[in-house]
Amino acid sequence: NAGVTQTPKFQVLKTGQSMTLQCAQDMNHEYMSWYRQDPGMGLRLIHYSVGAGITDQGEVPNGYNVSRSTTEDFPLRLLSAAPSQTSVYFCASSPDPGGNQPQHFGDGTRLSIL
Amino acid sequence: RKEVEQDPGPFNVPEGATVAFNCTYSNSASQSFFWYRQDCRKEPKLLMSVYSSGNEDGRFTAQLNRASQYISLLIRDSKLSDSATYLCVVNGNEKLTFGTGTRLTIIP
Repeated sequence: NAGVTQTPKFQVLKTGQSMTLQCAQDMNHEYMSWYRQDPGMGLRLIHYSVGAGITDQGEVPNGYNVSRSTTEDFPLRLLSAAPSQTSVYFCASSPDPGGNQPQHFGDGTRLSIL
Repeated sequence: RKEVEQDPGPFNVPEGATVAFNCTYSNSASQSFFWYRQDCRKEPKLLMSVYSSGNEDGRFTAQLNRASQYISLLIRDSKLSDSATYLCVVNGNEKLTFGTGTRLTIIP
């Protein structure tokens, strides 16, 4: 059972480039989410989804897009990378779309924007 | 006021000691509470859920005080392996809000 799988684990981009961070889960969880973690800021919610076809914005959505065409996959797209988006990105999933159960995290993507 | 606030760290505690962290939350409608543990450069992992009546898991005890809107985590007989950052997590409006974390270092 792989759980939550994120790819890539590391990425370096130049300012203005676009890319997609992949997230997949094999637990049939309805709820999926993306966070970024910066020093001293804790985990901040970027976007989340309560089921296939449904997405919503979190605390810091600007500069990011998401889609949820299947239950398993929840990719995060950076439209035009900026140095302020240098961060560690975590994808998480939960069986409960109401957010009442703990989330399972992938092991993160470390992204640097030059 | 932040949605979730934690004790500022770092805590440097000798091995075998007892240590406690507190966390306050602002949304009185929150129903679910958790403590996560995060090791350096790793993903957060669930340590324990926090139930209304309080709950214990080995050396770890979690308490919830709804009236004062805080949760606590007590670690007894601390081990070197307990060194990590502890995150307080509270639900509300379909999402979980994470505290910034409290760093704990257990000293031999």
